[in-house]
Amino acid sequence: EIVMTQSPATLSVSPGERATLSCRASQSVSSNLVWYQQKPGQAPRLLIYGASTRATGIPARFSGSGSGTEFTLTISSLQSEDFAVYYCQQYNNWPSYTFGQGTKLEIK
Amino acid sequence: EVQLLESGGGLVQPGGSLRLSCAASGFTFSSYAMSWVRQAPGKGLEWVSGISGSDSSTYYADSVKGRFTISRDNSKNTRYLQMNSLRAEDTAVYYCAKVGGTTSAFDIWGQGTMVTVSS
Repeated sequence: EIVMTQSPATLSVSPGERATLSCRASQSVSSNLVWYQQKPGQAPRLLIYGASTRATGIPARFSGSGSGTEFTLTISSLQSEDFAVYYCQQYNNWPSYTFGQGTKLEIK
Repeated sequence: EVQLLESGGGLVQPGGSLRLSCAASGFTFSSYAMSWVRQAPGKGLEWVSGISGSDSSTYYADSVKGRFTISRDNSKNTRYLQMNSLRAEDTAVYYCAKVGGTTSAFDIWGQGTMVTVSS
């Protein structure tokens, strides 16, 4: 099983600043990496797929990068609605999709 | 509008059974793979089970293998998760999620249904 590790567990950032979240895979997943956003009481929402492609309707301030085992989600100029928990997930082999443990992005 | 709607959650005693349903609207479920993903209270996301769109192959996490069964009814555009021999550690919100044809990720999620296993 491919293990996904996210860091940090919690990230405190002020509105308007940039946030950088990391995700590492225990073995290469090529670019088969997605990012989800989850707010309290809601289902996850797809943000980024293929490591760097924004899903439909996702603002340009969200960007993803990386390949192989190291990935990054960057949110430029944080808005109030961006404070949430973010999960990475690999989908290198259906159906063995595994999630990271999540990064909580909180207001500083 | 493309959406998924889960139902069937509730409170059940250890060793009991529940059947969750995931009804799709706005698209034809048979064309896509889907999965059940759960989230224990205050915890992260865990993939539970999946079913292919093409050949109905089924897959399970080791934690539920032999106890849970995923199935589909294309005439009702619905997927199911039959959960037997439930344990306290199965307590979670259960989401159904559709695999995108282009993205290969979970592009559509239901709102979730809570399953509580307790005496």
